[in-house]
Amino acid sequence: QITLKESGPTLVKPTQTLTLTCTFSGFSLSTSGVGVGWIRQPPGKALELLALIYWDDDKRYSPSLKSRLTITKDTSKNQVVLTMTNMDLVDTATYYCAHPDPAMGFDYWGQGALVTVSS
Amino acid sequence: SYELTQPPSVSVSPGQTAGITCSGDKLGEKYVCWYQQKPGQSPVLVIYQDNKRPSGIPERFSGSNSGNTATLTISGTQAMDEADYYCQAWDSSTANVFGTGTKVTVL
Repeated sequence: QITLKESGPTLVKPTQTLTLTCTFSGFSLSTSGVGVGWIRQPPGKALELLALIYWDDDKRYSPSLKSRLTITKDTSKNQVVLTMTNMDLVDTATYYCAHPDPAMGFDYWGQGALVTVSS
Repeated sequence: SYELTQPPSVSVSPGQTAGITCSGDKLGEKYVCWYQQKPGQSPVLVIYQDNKRPSGIPERFSGSNSGNTATLTISGTQAMDEADYYCQAWDSSTANVFGTGTKVTVL
């Protein structure tokens, strides 16, 4: 059974760096083809794919946010970490991590973590 | 960057058929998947590879994809289908973008 859970601060100040951790079970990031993605959703708005990391350390970033994002993995801990620099009020959103099946799309999602940016 | 456009809202009567479109350049050349998201919940995959249903998804959900448009069809719509729906192009060259989202209201 695949599960994912996001953790991190619920409140960050403008200009700070956000660090979110996705802890997962039921699969391994050392297995060929496996990846983890981060997606966010501002209140009342659409989903936005932020970053993906794969078993071979291949990384994909949203073109519009690439300069602010870093995604890393710790295979031994079954964790993926997303950092986003220079946070702004518009970055207030629910941040999800999800498991991408190569043939399907994101077939498993975490519960989401609401991050509010406020001074 | 690649963009996927959906109508903001679709209304349907119970028992009728709802169609949600997703438009993007040469979208028919990519695989499309669809997600359902109810208020306060995480998205759920309802269609993948244009027209396949994951285990547990009712048969009333179907999909198609051709040219520049993909369509999610809900046949015999039920009140429980009221939700936001998002398409996604699943293609490594397009960064796997999501559509703009459609709110389905069952009147």
